[in-house]
Amino acid sequence: DTEVTQTPKHLVMGMTNKKSLKCEQHMGHRAMYWYKQKAKKPPELMFVYSYEKLSINESVPSRFSPECPNSSLLNLHLHALQPEDSALYLCASSQDFAGGGEQYFGPGTRLTVT
Amino acid sequence: GQSLEQPSEVTAVEGAIVQINCTYQTSGFYGLSWYQQHDGGAPTFLSYNALDGLEETGRFSSFLSRSDSYGYLLLQELQMKDSASYFCAVYTGGFKTIFGAGTRLFVKA
Repeated sequence: DTEVTQTPKHLVMGMTNKKSLKCEQHMGHRAMYWYKQKAKKPPELMFVYSYEKLSINESVPSRFSPECPNSSLLNLHLHALQPEDSALYLCASSQDFAGGGEQYFGPGTRLTVT
Repeated sequence: GQSLEQPSEVTAVEGAIVQINCTYQTSGFYGLSWYQQHDGGAPTFLSYNALDGLEETGRFSSFLSRSDSYGYLLLQELQMKDSASYFCAVYTGGFKTIFGAGTRLFVKA
């Protein structure tokens, strides 16, 4: 099973709202990632959790707050977003550090900020 | 700086063979990956080459030459469903992956 699930599939939020994106994998992977992807562009790395600890934060604005409650779950908390934050948010996982070249992506959450 | 270069678009006919090249210049290199992404969908892992040579998986093959900082994805017996964007990506280690800008493949009947 190489499935990563994400909820919700679509999200529309105002600039004053607070919302959360959720990601889950049951492959026993110990690395989980958040990416942001704009239309016709490649995914951009935002955060990486390794063994439930934040390993990478690619200078992401504090209005994005990641959380890894356990080895299977990854959340992305959103507040006070800007319209330019509208994008496809992708969660991915890999086995561990050595497996970083083989990442499995969820279907993504398409976020629109109004 | 760090960069990956791949063609922006490739067009081929059904049943043909197409090769998508990728050259890279990165400060670290563990391996080269390829991902497929259909419009509106998520990237799907296709292959990962850490060592020089050719890896074959069904209709898809991937090649790496570390000394030339070059790789390619070869798609054989093209089908309409292969129309998608293809990203090469370098895993530089430390959980960081750098993606190329992507190649849009159009398969014509």
